[in-house]
Amino acid sequence: ETGVTQTPRHLVMGMTNKKSLKCEQHLGHNAMYWYKQSAKKPLELMFVYNFKEQTENNSVPSRFSPECPNSSHLFLHLHTLQPEDSALYLCASSQSMGGLSGTEAFFGQGTRLTVV
Amino acid sequence: AQKITQTQPGMFVQEKEAVTLDCTYDTSDPSYGLFWYKQPSSGEMIFLIYQGSYDQQNATEGRYSLNFQKARKSANLVISASQLGDSAMYFCATLGAGSYQLTFGKGTKLSVIP
Repeated sequence: ETGVTQTPRHLVMGMTNKKSLKCEQHLGHNAMYWYKQSAKKPLELMFVYNFKEQTENNSVPSRFSPECPNSSHLFLHLHTLQPEDSALYLCASSQSMGGLSGTEAFFGQGTRLTVV
Repeated sequence: AQKITQTQPGMFVQEKEAVTLDCTYDTSDPSYGLFWYKQPSSGEMIFLIYQGSYDQQNATEGRYSLNFQKARKSANLVISASQLGDSAMYFCATLGAGSYQLTFGKGTKLSVIP
């Protein structure tokens, strides 16, 4: 059983819909991440939160809006998405940022998003 | 900037045999870490093994070992005694000291044949 849980596992949404992805970690970690995995492309980091503060936004379009209410929960709010946004969205957490010791990230199972 | 290159899009290995998955990296950081993750069809990225750039010995974790050759900037993953459950995508990644962004390669799809 993974320590990082993502819901839903699958999501199909229209371009005018608004939906949210949820991530919860039970590992006591301080950093949480959203990654996007598209077909035949390396994982792309989208957002980073450290102690609930957003520390990175990798030029992600504003139709993706993250929210981190506490260090255990992370959301990705979606609105007016495009078909090219269809991908696997992975949440991850790590104990710390910056140091190399104990920085391995633990991932959830992802949400497979299809935009129609 | 960091870059990971995995040149093998797909690999086949006979069950119980060993297999090496290639990974080369490019980084300007003097101190960095190298990671391998496994991604089965379920989607979850599973952490396998970590190697620090200043570690004197190659990392090992059960059937996984990392063949770290710093001068060649390579960090190949060796899986011994392959099992059917090892069939998955395998990703190499790097992280610079002071950074929080893992840089991933494109992955290698490993198929274990009975």
